[in-house]
Amino acid sequence: AQSVAQPEDQVNVAEGNPLTVKCTYSVSGNPYLFWYVQYPNRGLQFLLKYITGDNLVKGSYGFEAEFNKSQTSFHLKKPSALVSDSALYFCAVRGPSGNTGKLIFGQGTTLQVKP
Amino acid sequence: KAGVTQTPRYLIKTRGQQVTLSCSPISGHRSVSWYQQTPGQGLQFLFEYFSETQRNKGNFPGRFSGRQFSNSRSEMNVSTLELGDSALYLCASSSTSVGNGELFFGEGSRLTVL
Repeated sequence: AQSVAQPEDQVNVAEGNPLTVKCTYSVSGNPYLFWYVQYPNRGLQFLLKYITGDNLVKGSYGFEAEFNKSQTSFHLKKPSALVSDSALYFCAVRGPSGNTGKLIFGQGTTLQVKP
Repeated sequence: KAGVTQTPRYLIKTRGQQVTLSCSPISGHRSVSWYQQTPGQGLQFLFEYFSETQRNKGNFPGRFSGRQFSNSRSEMNVSTLELGDSALYLCASSSTSVGNGELFFGEGSRLTVL
């Protein structure tokens, strides 16, 4: 069965420091992986996706993610964190049917960036 | 281009009532999915529609139902509401039907059941 795990409930970083939000996955077949961000009382916003190709994927707002097949990981990174990056981040994998609409989400990681 | 629009944004119901939530996808998107978000269970998939057909259904009781119209707008209905149905209900649309398309989410409908 497809699944993702986000091992950290919360990540705290200082503004200007690099940040990493971790995600590991378990899939049968090729993984289609996604990162989304959610600000308070808002819907989810797409950040980036990995389908195939380069293991380093660049996305919105300066975020990038590194796909590592051997470690089954897809960690979200940013070289220099901003206070405005503080939000809830979700890693997701495409459901087994392959249809677009079904994503399986991790439990989410709250990112807190302190000035 | 307008985003995904969900109505109403907030609503309060009492146990036993029923509720209907509406979702208008991005123009041209034919895939619409629904998710329930709660603090305890996180984001859980409810169902997906494409061209008026339900293609996937999550593990929810039959009280949860949905439909999609010919203009791709979608509604979901919850009957005989329970306290545990209190949640943020998110609708998402996509321009592709399979594989690599990302989802575009609405702001959600926050349902409180008293």
